[in-house]
Amino acid sequence: AQRVTQPEKLLSVFKGAPVELKCNYSYSGSPELFWYVQYSRQRLQLLLRHISRESIKGFTADLNKGETSFHLKKPFAQEEDSAMYYCALSTTSGSRLTFGEGTQLTVNP
Amino acid sequence: DTAVSQTPKYLVTQMGNDKSIKCEQNLGHDTMYWYKQDSKKFLKIMFSYNNKELIINETVPNRFSPKSPDKAHLNLHINSLELGDSAVYFCASSHRDTNTGELFFGEGSRLTVL
Repeated sequence: AQRVTQPEKLLSVFKGAPVELKCNYSYSGSPELFWYVQYSRQRLQLLLRHISRESIKGFTADLNKGETSFHLKKPFAQEEDSAMYYCALSTTSGSRLTFGEGTQLTVNP
Repeated sequence: DTAVSQTPKYLVTQMGNDKSIKCEQNLGHDTMYWYKQDSKKFLKIMFSYNNKELIINETVPNRFSPKSPDKAHLNLHINSLELGDSAVYFCASSHRDTNTGELFFGEGSRLTVL
C-alpha cells in the first residue's frame, strides 16, 4: 500500500528566507507526486505536479526516486505563502490520491 | 461559477441524529470523492464513485452511506452521528480517463457533533 509522510506538522520561517517542506513516500510502483495547498478560508487546490516539472508561485519540487522524496522548495518565502501544504501520491493503477498529514507553513514578516 | 459545491458549509447537530451533506460538480467530471479532514488536518479518502459506481470504499463505518444519483452529484448520509464524526468533509471531483491526479475540491462542510 502507498504511504505519504510529511515529518513537519508546523514550519515557521521569516519573509525572504528559503523554505523547504519535506515529503517522503513509499510505493512499490511508479508514483505520481503532487503538492496541494490550502490557503486560509479557501479550498484545497493543486499547486504543482512532478510530471510537469514546473515552477508555480516560485515553488519547485523534484522527485528523487532514490530517496523516495518529493520536497517542496522556495528560495525566498513570502507572507502570502502561509498556508497548509499537502503532499500527495497517485498510483498508475487508478485515480486514488493519498495525502500526507500536511505541513502548516507560516511566513513571518 | 462554482466548480464543486457542497451544502451545508456548517452543520451542528446532536449525537444520534442522522444528517446529509450534498455535493455537486459542474466540471463534467466522471469521478467524485469524499474526504474527511480531522482535527489534526489529516486528509483521508472515504469513498470514490466513477459514473455512479462505487470504486473506492475505505474502512469507514457503515453508518456512512454515499449516494450518487448521477455523475454530477455525490451525497453523503451519516446515521447515528457520534462525537468522533466531527470533522470537515470535503467533496472532490476529477476526470478519471486523464488521470492527471488533479482533484477539484469543494470548500468543505464542517460537521460538529455535540
